[in-house]
Amino acid sequence: RKEVEQDPGPFNVPEGATVAFNCTYSNSASQSFFWYRQDCRKEPKLLMSVYSSGNEDGRFTAQLNRASQYISLLIRDSKLSDSATYLCVAFTGGGNKLTFGTGTQLKVEL
Amino acid sequence: DVKVTQSSRYLVKRTGEKVFLECVQDMDHENMFWYRQDPGLGLRLIYFSYDVKMKEKGDIPEGYSVSREKKERFSLILESASTNQTSMYLCASSRMSNQPQHFGDGTRLSIL
Repeated sequence: RKEVEQDPGPFNVPEGATVAFNCTYSNSASQSFFWYRQDCRKEPKLLMSVYSSGNEDGRFTAQLNRASQYISLLIRDSKLSDSATYLCVAFTGGGNKLTFGTGTQLKVEL
Repeated sequence: DVKVTQSSRYLVKRTGEKVFLECVQDMDHENMFWYRQDPGLGLRLIYFSYDVKMKEKGDIPEGYSVSREKKERFSLILESASTNQTSMYLCASSRMSNQPQHFGDGTRLSIL
């Protein structure tokens, strides 16, 4: 089982829609989490950090469920510019490194 | 603003060559990382470093080595390049292990 698992998608949604991705992690000792956005052929860029139960930044909300070991990303009022791959990342203190999921692709359409 | 700079965006080398990929960060970060990214496999950690002259193997270190002589610079070395090392290479840095990493633009390396 992968340490961090994501549905690869693609998720095709109309502009203005609300879309949510889930990410599951296998190591219960994972302490903090991040969502990155990666555009095609570009580097990953930090979207949001999650150190406790969740975080919100404008149209983006991340929620952490430690009991079920998943973290979600909700995007409201989707824009065409939100089209990208979203990477879920977990930090586990024992390994002292970040573990990246393989990403979920989002396509926002007119 | 955070800045991680990789020496080349695109690089083409031949099988058997020794290849150097350079990465420089200007944030005085302690930690630096080298990843490769391949379709369907995501980011895989090659090597990382928590301090000058210190290095730790990541998940896929075979065929690679690294050098960190100065805090701001972390080099990835392909000792004898092979075609299966054709990939996108990404350098990252962070202030502490549990904090987010900031990435360079990436180097698309092709080994012919």
